[in-house]
Amino acid sequence: QLQLQESGPGLVKPSETLSLTCTVSGGSISSSFYYWGWIRQPPGKGLEWIASVFYSGNTYYNPSLKSRVTMSVDTFNNQFSLKLTSVTAADTAVYYCARRKNCSGASCYWYFDLWGRGTLVTVSS
Amino acid sequence: QSALTQPPSASGSPGQSVTISCTGTSSDVGAYNHVSWYQEHPGKAPKLMIYEVTNRPSGVPDRFFGSKSGNMASLTVSGLQAEDEADYYCSSYAGSNNVVFGGGTKLTVL
Repeated sequence: QLQLQESGPGLVKPSETLSLTCTVSGGSISSSFYYWGWIRQPPGKGLEWIASVFYSGNTYYNPSLKSRVTMSVDTFNNQFSLKLTSVTAADTAVYYCARRKNCSGASCYWYFDLWGRGTLVTVSS
Repeated sequence: QSALTQPPSASGSPGQSVTISCTGTSSDVGAYNHVSWYQEHPGKAPKLMIYEVTNRPSGVPDRFFGSKSGNMASLTVSGLQAEDEADYYCSSYAGSNNVVFGGGTKLTVL
């Protein structure tokens, strides 16, 4: 059974860079069938898609966060990562990694069928 | 403020039905049949309950029903059970490889 597990610092100082890693276990990240993504949830608020990456390195970013976000993939360690620069208190959230099916022919799939449990990142000095 | 609007709370007694709405725009919910719903229990990973408006993944009870009309999607849970008490989030494709979510609805089983 494929599982996703987020890891990274739980506390980041304002103006610094938030870095998180998602480890994929029970399956390969190098599958042509899936994209891998990050989604976050600020306390008391709704979910927000951040970005998605393919194992080849192809990425898509939320336009509202694009200037501060970088996603990367490490196929050797079966991991993918998120970097969010110049963080503020507004970036405090539970960060989830998740899987989305890749397009197949003319059909694309815009739902996340597997999620990690999430990790809380607090931005505070 | 979330891109999709959901009521903050909903409730029903065991055995009853409850419907949660998800209101978007003609650029997301109204434009695409790519609405999905997620269930989240505290401390657990969100779980996909409905995808592409009406489809249930394997293992999701047929008590969960998704629908859409215009810019509004809905999730109906019939035959409410205690285990259905959770937060529910809707999501929609919004074009240009962008996905938007709702603010979530806390479902209480009375």
